[in-house]
Amino acid sequence: KAGVTQTPRYLIKTRGQQVTLSCSPISGHRSVSWYQQTPGQGLQFLFEYFSETQRNKGNFPGRFSGRQFSNSRSEMNVSTLELGDSALYLCASSSLSYRVRGDEKLFFGSGTQLSVL
Amino acid sequence: GNSVTQMEGPVTLSEEAFLTINCTYTATGYPSLFWYVQYPGEGLQLLLKATKADDKGSNKGFEATYRKETTSFHLEKGSVQVSDSAVYFCALSDGTGFQKLVFGTGTRLLVSP
Repeated sequence: KAGVTQTPRYLIKTRGQQVTLSCSPISGHRSVSWYQQTPGQGLQFLFEYFSETQRNKGNFPGRFSGRQFSNSRSEMNVSTLELGDSALYLCASSSLSYRVRGDEKLFFGSGTQLSVL
Repeated sequence: GNSVTQMEGPVTLSEEAFLTINCTYTATGYPSLFWYVQYPGEGLQLLLKATKADDKGSNKGFEATYRKETTSFHLEKGSVQVSDSAVYFCALSDGTGFQKLVFGTGTRLLVSP
């Protein structure tokens, strides 16, 4: 069974540009979430999707957005890039439905390393 | 708000040494607690978890016990191997957002032969 696939693996952009990152969850998983990982802030939650609906959102500016498609694949978009957006962006998927707690096993992809110059 | 505090790294050990990585948390209600591990160039993998007080999670020789009275979830292993070298993250989920985990800053473990 294929794992969580994130593309591209590396990305270099300049300030002011926008970027779209893609995530394909494990087959059959309907929940997808995104995290930003930086050396200074660690891992921070961006958003969570289930069945094409955003269920939860972290404390990030509106420049960060996402969506989920009917096949559970997800994309996140960052507009008007800033130097501080340089980070590893991790996607995670899970087979459990929303509101089921206690067994939250997330499967993470290897991430997209975004560098903003 | 909810938060996780874990010890600063790196932790440097010789093979077969005993490992402890401290983790404490602040949360309202009854969170679930997790340890994730990240090997170089890879995403995070769930190492173990505990969902209620006094639960012990264990996997691959690693153990952690959910201590509500001390709000702690320390990771231990009796005999580390070189292959255990990685970054370890403590995390909690408060159940309000299913996949919304709050992570600690991570502790790098370096094991030498």
